[in-house]
Amino acid sequence: DTGVSQDPRHKITKRGQNVTFRCDPISEHNRLYWYRQTLGQGPEFLTYFQNEAQLEKSRLLSDRFSAERPKGSFSTLEIQRTEQGDSAMYLCASSLAFFWATGSLLSTDTQYFGPGTRLTVL
Amino acid sequence: KQEVTQIPAALSVPEGENLVLNCSFTDSAIYNLQWFRQDPGKGLTSLLLIQSSQREQTSGRLNASLDKSSGRSTLYIAASQPGDSATYLCAVVMRFGAGTRLTVKP
Repeated sequence: DTGVSQDPRHKITKRGQNVTFRCDPISEHNRLYWYRQTLGQGPEFLTYFQNEAQLEKSRLLSDRFSAERPKGSFSTLEIQRTEQGDSAMYLCASSLAFFWATGSLLSTDTQYFGPGTRLTVL
Repeated sequence: KQEVTQIPAALSVPEGENLVLNCSFTDSAIYNLQWFRQDPGKGLTSLLLIQSSQREQTSGRLNASLDKSSGRSTLYIAASQPGDSATYLCAVVMRFGAGTRLTVKP
């Protein structure tokens, strides 16, 4: 396995256009995360999936953002009606989560990050 | 809401020096804490993962400690090298600090 991949690596778009990014996680990983990072800041959590279920979405995320992981494998992040403030690096990560027999979370393993998609909104 | 703070924001040291980077978090109910390295314009590389039941982890010249009761973690880098120059980020599950930008001068 070659790790987490993201496509495209760079995207330039005009304000008001829609964009979609794809993330392919490490194949056996059941968790997939999306983050956004701007210059000089740490990654900001956007949303994460456990298999195909979207379990948490940041309150900072507007309704213009939507993410899917339809078969519990790859994921897409769509931004509708892009704004200049959306310009950032969009990072995807995946990890393996372990559960007790009751179904509650035991622990999560290392998050592995993809190279990111750099979005520029003109 | 979990908040993660890293101090200092930037650090410059001469080659060979030992150094400590600090990370603090507000909610001690955590599953794990992870340290990452990020080179300019690049993605994140995982350095060390400490599970909540552990006190420390070591990998080569790196040692990370975790004190949940005080909400603190430290990353110790021994015998620093110019190749260690990067931004070091601490993450508590899905919340990141702003990072410490380390420069190691030859």
